[in-house]
Amino acid sequence: DGGITQSPKYLFRKEGQNVTLSCEQNLNHDAMYWYRQDPGQGLRLIYYSQIVNDFQKGDIAEGYSVSREKKESFPLTVTSAQKNPTAFYLCASSEQGANYGYTFGSGTRLTVV
Amino acid sequence: KQEVTQIPAALSVPEGENLVLNCSFTDSAIYNLQWFRQDPGKGLTSLLLIQSSQREQTSGRLNASLDKSSGRSTLYIAASQPGDSATYLCAVSQIKAAGNKLTFGGGTRVLVKP
Repeated sequence: DGGITQSPKYLFRKEGQNVTLSCEQNLNHDAMYWYRQDPGQGLRLIYYSQIVNDFQKGDIAEGYSVSREKKESFPLTVTSAQKNPTAFYLCASSEQGANYGYTFGSGTRLTVV
Repeated sequence: KQEVTQIPAALSVPEGENLVLNCSFTDSAIYNLQWFRQDPGKGLTSLLLIQSSQREQTSGRLNASLDKSSGRSTLYIAASQPGDSATYLCAVSQIKAAGNKLTFGGGTRVLVKP
């Protein structure tokens, strides 16, 4: 079955550490997105990519980095510069163009310890 | 800047009652509007996608309407069941935004009591 796989489901980060969240899709979608969800708040866009080897900052990109070396993969690195990284991170993909809906992964919950 | 609002933030109904969830947006220049369901600790599941040229979409017990000119969408869930308990989010894809980026509402948390 086609879908989006996020791993790990739970991740713990120590202060000052960089961590990488994985997102893989087999839907053959060109566009991929990373959102952050905090309790009581809506989803906020971190980064998005419309094509391989290209990506754009979203509304809250500071302290995060991404790469898009393969169509299927869009990993997100949470760097030590991100001051409040504890949140639920969601990856999504869609076909190219604005007439298509999103498919989401099951999320990664990141906690700073 | 596009703003998406969902009122109420939480809703509790007895089983069998119809659910009516509201979504409003400030900029009517949208490509589409999508309704999602989110269970606690899980990702988002797409329920319905309405293109800007459409007035409604239906899937089983779900019906979503779109009034683009007034900036409103309504999700109707007929004959609610305890399994419908979840948070429902709406999101719009805006014409002025680069890429197919979505702007989300804060969600409505629904509890259907047996």
